[in-house]
Amino acid sequence: AQSVAQPEDQVNVAEGNPLTVKCTYSVSGNPYLFWYVQYPNRGLQFLLKYITGDNLVKGSYGFEAEFNKSQTSFHLKKPSALVSDSALYFCAVRENTGFQKLVFGTGTRLLVSP
Amino acid sequence: EAQVTQNPRYLITVTGKKLTVTCSQNMNHEYMSWYRQDPGLGLRQIYYSMNVEVTDKGDVPEGYKVSRKEKRNFPLILESPSPNQTSLYFCASSPTALRGDTQYFGPGTRLTVL
Repeated sequence: AQSVAQPEDQVNVAEGNPLTVKCTYSVSGNPYLFWYVQYPNRGLQFLLKYITGDNLVKGSYGFEAEFNKSQTSFHLKKPSALVSDSALYFCAVRENTGFQKLVFGTGTRLLVSP
Repeated sequence: EAQVTQNPRYLITVTGKKLTVTCSQNMNHEYMSWYRQDPGLGLRQIYYSMNVEVTDKGDVPEGYKVSRKEKRNFPLILESPSPNQTSLYFCASSPTALRGDTQYFGPGTRLTVL
């Protein structure tokens, strides 16, 4: 069965510094990978996804993620963090068989300090 | 505006009192799903629907019911709520059940069962 691990409960970064939120996955076959962000009292917003092709995926709000098949990782990155990026980030992987089931990680809270 | 709406956004109830959380999408999506979010557990799928009159259990269906009589609506029913169903609930939809489709989430319903 597929699974996703987000090894850090919280990531702290200063505004203007680069940020990385880590995600590793386990799935048989080729993965479909997603990142979502949850702001306080809001639903999940889609950031980006990897289906196939270029290993570097660009998404909303200046975020990007790098797919690394050998390390089974899909880390979320941003070159310069903003205080407004502070939120809860979820990585998710699509099941390799059947349909649409998204399996989520436990989430990583990102805190960007001024 | 394309969106997934949920009502109510907040609900406090007592054990055993039947309740319904509504979910509606205006994007003509075929696939809809319910998740619950609990601290340290991420999001877990409760039920999903591939299309009208087609529903199936997710990972944590016990204590919940759903129906899909119309394409746009996918209500979540708790026949006899219990305190362990206190959680944050999200409805999501996507154009189809294909693996590459992005799921779009509603704003969430915070349910407290006393």
